[in-house]
Amino acid sequence: GQNIDQPTEMTATEGAIVQINCTYQTSGFNGLFWYQQHAGEAPTFLSYNVLDGLEEKGRFSSFLSRSKGYSYLLLKELQMKDSASYLCAVRDSDYKLSFGAGTTVTVRA
Amino acid sequence: IAGITQAPTSQILAAGRRMTLRCTQDMRHNAMYWYRQDLGLGLRLIHYSNTAGTTGKGEVPDGYSVSRANTDDFPLTLASAVPSQTSVYFCASSETGDTDTQYFGPGTRLTVL
Repeated sequence: GQNIDQPTEMTATEGAIVQINCTYQTSGFNGLFWYQQHAGEAPTFLSYNVLDGLEEKGRFSSFLSRSKGYSYLLLKELQMKDSASYLCAVRDSDYKLSFGAGTTVTVRA
Repeated sequence: IAGITQAPTSQILAAGRRMTLRCTQDMRHNAMYWYRQDLGLGLRLIHYSNTAGTTGKGEVPDGYSVSRANTDDFPLTLASAVPSQTSVYFCASSETGDTDTQYFGPGTRLTVL
């Protein structure tokens, strides 16, 4: 089966930086995704990593180390609207996504 | 407006009743998926379809069935609902079934009493 771990909750201050870690053990690997999900809404795509290294997209960056089964999502210059759940998902050898339980980030003024 | 629509938005259902959740996309995506999301468990794949006319089982398929008669529609049926099927159901689609990003619909909140 798949095992994807990420912290349940994180709290940070507006303007700060938060790093959400994700570790995984899956049957095969064909990429790692990060999604953002606001309460009561659908998950929306944030980033995709398939090779080792850092992918930067504005205030959000995502890092992958395949040998360590590890990824992180970095949120910079936090804004109140960044309060949401962040989902780590791994695409396995069957090209299906397995999701972690999500990390709820609360941004405080 | 391009995207995925789901209906109904929410539903309360008596146990034992039959229910079909509807999902339609207008992006001409080949692959479609049904997930359920439960607190503390994350999204879990119920069924998927890589192309019209084909379907496959995901991680938690028991009690659910799907069909894919055309590219746009992917209904999910609960033949005889049970309380453990109380959940939020998300439909998603991707251009193909392997290398592409999945995009999610707004979800259906289902309560089975």
